[in-house]
Order: sequence, then structure tokens, then C-alpha cells
Amino acid sequence: KAGVTQTPRYLIKTRGQQVTLSCSPISGHRSVSWYQQTPGQGLQFLFEYFSETQRNKGNFPGRFSGRQFSNSRSEMNVSTLELGDSALYLCASSSGTVNQPQHFGDGTRLSIL
Amino acid sequence: QKEVEQNSGPLSVPEGAIASLNCTYSDRGSQSFFWYRQYSGKSPELIMFIYSNGDKEDGRFTAQLNKASQYVSLLIRDSQPSDSATYLCAVNRGVGNQFYFGTGTSLTVIP
Repeated sequence: KAGVTQTPRYLIKTRGQQVTLSCSPISGHRSVSWYQQTPGQGLQFLFEYFSETQRNKGNFPGRFSGRQFSNSRSEMNVSTLELGDSALYLCASSSGTVNQPQHFGDGTRLSIL
Repeated sequence: QKEVEQNSGPLSVPEGAIASLNCTYSDRGSQSFFWYRQYSGKSPELIMFIYSNGDKEDGRFTAQLNKASQYVSLLIRDSQPSDSATYLCAVNRGVGNQFYFGTGTSLTVIP
């Protein structure tokens, strides 16, 4: 069974630009969550999508948004990029039933110049 | 107060010893608890999860949960150099799949 696939693996952007990251969950998984990982803050929850609806949202500004498609694939968009947005962005999928384990993709490394 | 707290380490143990990793959480209503391993430059990999008080064993790994003390631990028996990584504790309050992660404990197993 294929794992969680994230594209692209690496991105370099400049301040003020916007970026879209993609995540394909494990087949049959309906929940996709996004996390930001930085050395100083660790893993921080951005949002979760389940059945094309945002089910949970973390404490990030509105510049961070996402969506989920009918095939459970998800995208995350960050607008007006700031230097502090440089991080590893991780996508995790699960069956969607609450309290089930999440499985992570390899992540997208975003660098802002 | 942080949702999930871990001793950042580093924790060093000799090969073959037992490594003990600890985690506390603040929300008494938390429902599920997870341990992930993260090698440098890689993404987190699920090791174990536990829902009920007590111990859960899987091979060399044992997860322990004490809800009254709001405490979760991971024991690694017969530690191997390949176990050297950062171990992340995660907690789910049971509202969807919003996991709260600790900052991780760095473990080094010395050959």
C-alpha cells in the first residue's frame, strides 16, 4: 500500500509570494492533517480536513489555508509569504475515525528568501 | 502551560540497555496517545499508540499510560544504535484528529 505522498519535496520562494503544497493520503484514508515543523516550535497543527470539510483548525493566521478534494487529496496554500514561514510542512493521513493513528508523508521543505 | 511536555534530553544509553522516555500532558480529557520516531532529516514514523491505562507491548517497545497522573512513557528494551533518533509524544483530545506534539526527546544509543 502506498504511503502518504507530498509534492514538491523542496521549494524556494521569496517574501510576498504564495505557495501551494499537495498531499495524497494513503488509499482509503479520509482525514488529512497538516503540520508545520520548525526547530524552535516543533510540530504545530495547522488544520485537518475530513470529507472535504475542515474539521479542526490550529492557531495560524488566515494566510494559511487548505482544501480537500473528493478523492481525499489535499492542498495547503500560504499567501504573502514571510521569512518565518520557512519550515518543514508535513501532511498526515488517517482513516478519519477519531483517535486513530496518523501516518506522515516525507514533507515539503519550504525556504523563504 | 504546554499541552504536551517532554524532556528534550539528550538521553544517552549504552547498547543493550533500556531507554525510558517520558511525556506529560495537560488536558485530562485526552483520549489517545502516540509515540513517533523521527530520524534527522526524515518525517515522523509511528511506533506505538495506546488508549487505556496500563502497558502495551510491541516487540522491544512498551508504552505505558497513567491517566490519573497524565503521564505517558515509552520503554525501549535492548536498545540498538539504530534506535538513535528523536522520539515525539503526541496526544489527541478526541476532537477530530488534532494531535498535540511534544518537542521531542533526542536519544543516542552508544555502541
